[in-house]
Amino acid sequence: GAVVSQHPSRVICKSGTSVKIECRSLDFQATTMFWYRQFPKQSLMLMATSNEGSKATYEQGVEKDKFLINHASLTLSTLTVTSAHPEDSSFYICSATSPALAGYGYTFGSGTRLTVV
Amino acid sequence: GQNIDQPTEMTATEGAIVQINCTYQTSGFNGLFWYQQHAGEAPTFLSYNVLDGLEEKGRFSSFLSRSKGYSYLLLKELQMKDSASYLCAVRDERGRDDKIIFGKGTRLHILP
Repeated sequence: GAVVSQHPSRVICKSGTSVKIECRSLDFQATTMFWYRQFPKQSLMLMATSNEGSKATYEQGVEKDKFLINHASLTLSTLTVTSAHPEDSSFYICSATSPALAGYGYTFGSGTRLTVV
Repeated sequence: GQNIDQPTEMTATEGAIVQINCTYQTSGFNGLFWYQQHAGEAPTFLSYNVLDGLEEKGRFSSFLSRSKGYSYLLLKELQMKDSASYLCAVRDERGRDDKIIFGKGTRLHILP
């Protein structure tokens, strides 16, 4: 149980375009979803926290107009990278949780490798 | 503020034991995780400690001391497949939301 599906797994886009990444909880209702970014050989950096039906809370230094997060339902959150630039190339990972899950109920998606050319 | 420290890299020999340490300082503490991450993949859950003491799970054990802000992950009978990054992460309690904040990770190299 507690499976999170994330797609696409890999995407290549041109500079200036937008890319949408989806994160779905398949067998539980995710009240809260987290979005992380990871650069090569570095750890996961929390970008934002989203609760279903409310605006996302962004970490300091993360541009909310550039990284649009929508958590419209209890099973889906999306991250849209707008006007992408090469420096946005990174590994993006979502994580979902619910009070219904056990104490260690943070499940990660499989990640999305974004390359901006 | 938050601060999570762990060694950047470690090397150990197949069949041996290795201990990866983690120290943390957070404003709110609601548990500590260890994750394993292979290159290019998402982290996979290893352990979760919320109370002081040792939790053993097969070849892996995790220890927590809340008063010292300290944890370690112990890997026994090392196998080549254990070569990966090991991430220490703290569940930071902030009112309605808990967040998982990650350390920079420890890259573990296993030598035959």
